[in-house]
Amino acid sequence: GEDVEQSLFLSVREGDSSVINCTYTDSSSTYLYWYKQEPGAGLQLLTYIFSNMDMKQDQRLTVLLNKKDKHLSLRIADTQTGDSAIYFCAESSNSGGYNKLIFGAGTRLAVHP
Amino acid sequence: ETGVTQTPRHLVMGMTNKKSLKCEQHLGHNAMYWYKQSAKKPLELMFVYSLEERVENNSVPSRFSPECPNSSHLFLHLHTLQPEDSALYLCASSPDRSSGNTIYFGEGSWLTVV
Repeated sequence: GEDVEQSLFLSVREGDSSVINCTYTDSSSTYLYWYKQEPGAGLQLLTYIFSNMDMKQDQRLTVLLNKKDKHLSLRIADTQTGDSAIYFCAESSNSGGYNKLIFGAGTRLAVHP
Repeated sequence: ETGVTQTPRHLVMGMTNKKSLKCEQHLGHNAMYWYKQSAKKPLELMFVYSLEERVENNSVPSRFSPECPNSSHLFLHLHTLQPEDSALYLCASSPDRSSGNTIYFGEGSWLTVV
């Protein structure tokens, strides 16, 4: 079945790079997503990658996709305190003729001085 | 601001009450979704509407009743809920139901059942 797994916690020092990892099971996923959730807020789309790409870079964010291993990572360069949040990995599934997202449990990123 | 607006942001209700959550999207999208986020489980898809037609009911108890009167509005009617239904309910929309279309979320409605 469809499943997405992430580690639950990551703690980094301000200014360092953060790497959040994710594994998924649905090899037919066309897109993979990273969402960010700040305390008390909804989910904000950070970035996404098409499944035929290996890497996507967007300012401080770098997404790496290893389709063979079904492994997705999000790298945040120069991590700031404002990056403290929960980060959700999601794979898209088009079963039943409509798009839906399968989410991981989320990785809580804590940035300390 | 994602273009998906949810009201109320916070709701406290008794187990015998009837209340509704409202979602409105200003993006011209054709598909709308309800997700549930609780402390104990990852984000769970509850319902999907595409062009006002319900296309998925993900084994959700009947005490949750969705309504989609048009492609811009989605409601979740709540009746005789249980304390374990306390959660963040997230509405989302996407351009259509095809794969690859990005899903945009609202800020969520925090529901507490007492």
